Amino acid sequence: GAVVSQHPSRVICKSGTSVKIECRSLDFQATTMFWYRQFPKQSLMLMATSNEGSKATYEQGVEKDKFLINHASLTLSTLTVTSAHPEDSSFYICSAARDRGGTPLHFGNGTRLTVT
Amino acid sequence: AQTVTQSQPEMSVQEAETVTLSCTYDTSENNYYLFWYKQPPSRQMILVIRQEAYKQQNATENRFSVNFQKAAKSFSLKISDSQLGDTAMYFCAFMKFNTDKLIFGTGTRLQVFP
Repeated sequence: GAVVSQHPSRVICKSGTSVKIECRSLDFQATTMFWYRQFPKQSLMLMATSNEGSKATYEQGVEKDKFLINHASLTLSTLTVTSAHPEDSSFYICSAARDRGGTPLHFGNGTRLTVT
Repeated sequence: AQTVTQSQPEMSVQEAETVTLSCTYDTSENNYYLFWYKQPPSRQMILVIRQEAYKQQNATENRFSVNFQKAAKSFSLKISDSQLGDTAMYFCAFMKFNTDKLIFGTGTRLQVFP
């Protein structure tokens, strides 16, 4: 069964509003989670590393004020897309590792965001 | 910085045949991991196979096997006895040792036809 749950699976919002996406590790604690973005027919691009109890680490070119990440507990990371615009429409996927050191990551089912 | 290259945007294979997907990467690291992930139309990322760079033996998982050439920085995936359910996007990915951060290639769309 799924070990990483992502919610919602699909969301439509109006331009200028904010949207929150949740990523939960269901049966393990994850001090680190990752957020990826995937445009249609393209690869997954790492946006940021979510660190429990500290600030997220953003990849180059990702606006930290635009994509707010909060990792308040060992099982939950949230990504908030603030003041969303149509170009933010994309597929967002989170992942987490059960153990450190190269063990396979577990991925959420993804969230399709459409900004109208 | 690490990069992962998949030079085949699309591949097709007939059911029951064998197909090989290519992947090359660039890194100055000596210790790392390599992965192949499958993404079917549902968009769920599914781990296919994993290789530790310090292991010379190629990883195998049932019908899936890799040809890992560390010196050439090549990591190809061979799918034997292809099945219709293998139709998906396949991503090669690199992970630096002691991190959980994946760097993905651009993907190869595989179509298995009857």
